[in-house]
Amino acid sequence: AQKVTQAQTEISVVEKEDVTLDCVYETRDTTYYLFWYKQPPSGELVFLIRRNSFDEQNEISGRYSWNFQKSTSSFNFTITASQVVDSAVYFCALSLPYQGGSEKLVFGKGTKLTVNP
Amino acid sequence: EAGVTQSPTHLIKTRGQQATLRCSPISGHTSVYWYQQALGLGLQFLLWYDEGEERNRGNFPPRFSGRQFPNYSSELNVNALELEDSALYLCASSSRHHKVYEQYFGPGTRLTVT
Repeated sequence: AQKVTQAQTEISVVEKEDVTLDCVYETRDTTYYLFWYKQPPSGELVFLIRRNSFDEQNEISGRYSWNFQKSTSSFNFTITASQVVDSAVYFCALSLPYQGGSEKLVFGKGTKLTVNP
Repeated sequence: EAGVTQSPTHLIKTRGQQATLRCSPISGHTSVYWYQQALGLGLQFLLWYDEGEERNRGNFPPRFSGRQFPNYSSELNVNALELEDSALYLCASSSRHHKVYEQYFGPGTRLTVT
């Protein structure tokens, strides 16, 4: 069975601080996909990134960066120079491939990030 | 391009009633997923439809059911509503034909059972 653990329930930072959200996953499959989603107070889940299990390259997108390490089964997310608009709940998720597409998403419990001005 | 749409935005029902939630996927997407986000329980997978067929369901009782129409829109039905069914119900769509693995979510339907 697949499992995603986000140990940090809530994080509070001051604007312009860097913050890292941790994600540890469990699966016996060798091919899988990892995701990060953002859920602002409005409730809609916003897709941030997808990572394939066979691609361990780290990725940077503006102030966002992701560190994927298969050796530790982790897929951590760092926001550099945080802003108040980054305040949201962030979910890490795992899915398996199925017939050329994607199986269900297994979500972590989420980390609530509050960025104070 | 229009995103995933869901209706209604809010739904208030009483115990024992039935609720019907609707979802329209992104144009070209054939898969629709339903998730429940209840307070304290996180996001849990409910159902997955692809090209009109149910592909998988989560650990929910049979009173949670749904279907997918020929135009790929979907309906989630919850019968004999219980108080603990109060939650945000999120619909997502994806397209396996284009090897797009991301699931794109709608704004959700907030169901309140009194």
